[in-house]
Amino acid sequence: DTAVSQTPKYLVTQMGNDKSIKCEQNLGHDTMYWYKQDSKKFLKIMFSYNNKELIINETVPNRFSPKSPDKAHLNLHINSLELGDSAVYFCASSRDRNTEAFFGQGTRLTVV
Amino acid sequence: EDKVVQSPLSLVVHEGDTVTLNCSYEVTNFRSLLWYKQEKKAPTFLFMLTSSGIEKKSGRLSSILDKKELFSILNITATQTGDSAVYLCVSLRYSGGGADGLTFGKGTHLIIQP
Repeated sequence: DTAVSQTPKYLVTQMGNDKSIKCEQNLGHDTMYWYKQDSKKFLKIMFSYNNKELIINETVPNRFSPKSPDKAHLNLHINSLELGDSAVYFCASSRDRNTEAFFGQGTRLTVV
Repeated sequence: EDKVVQSPLSLVVHEGDTVTLNCSYEVTNFRSLLWYKQEKKAPTFLFMLTSSGIEKKSGRLSSILDKKELFSILNITATQTGDSAVYLCVSLRYSGGGADGLTFGKGTHLIIQP
């Protein structure tokens, strides 16, 4: 059983489009995250979501917005995609904000 | 700003060698230090260290935290080609205060040659 699953695994789209990446966890965790891994493989937090509290990394453009329909899901919406948005995006979850996070397999987004 | 620095950034050794990966941190409201292994896809959790001086072991891997000197090491003995990966050191701060808890280092890219 996959603990943290993301879809799609690969996403190729044109500049200016709007796209979404879905994330689901079946671990019963309270906290979910979105991370961006750039071309240098550096992982950086974008959002964390815990009990309806959204913590945003201030460097994330407001074209990115997380949506959580329930505790098990945290989807990432991206508007007006730009070339620089090309990266691998990882969803993760943890029991709470003080425990280790478990990662999904990643979504490789390519903006052309 | 929280900082996690790993060294070396890359390392090539032969199968059977022992390696030590280093991680230093400067973190406000530090809680724990975590190690992850990233192969081709998702980082997978290895260890979480919260107390100083207590070694955690899993097979050929072990890790320890020094909260006075603000560093951690990850040891891998009798390395195998399957150990080739990027090893990520991650600091976890206490939640609250509006900032997310996890700060990632840039990773050590370990290559084990047969």
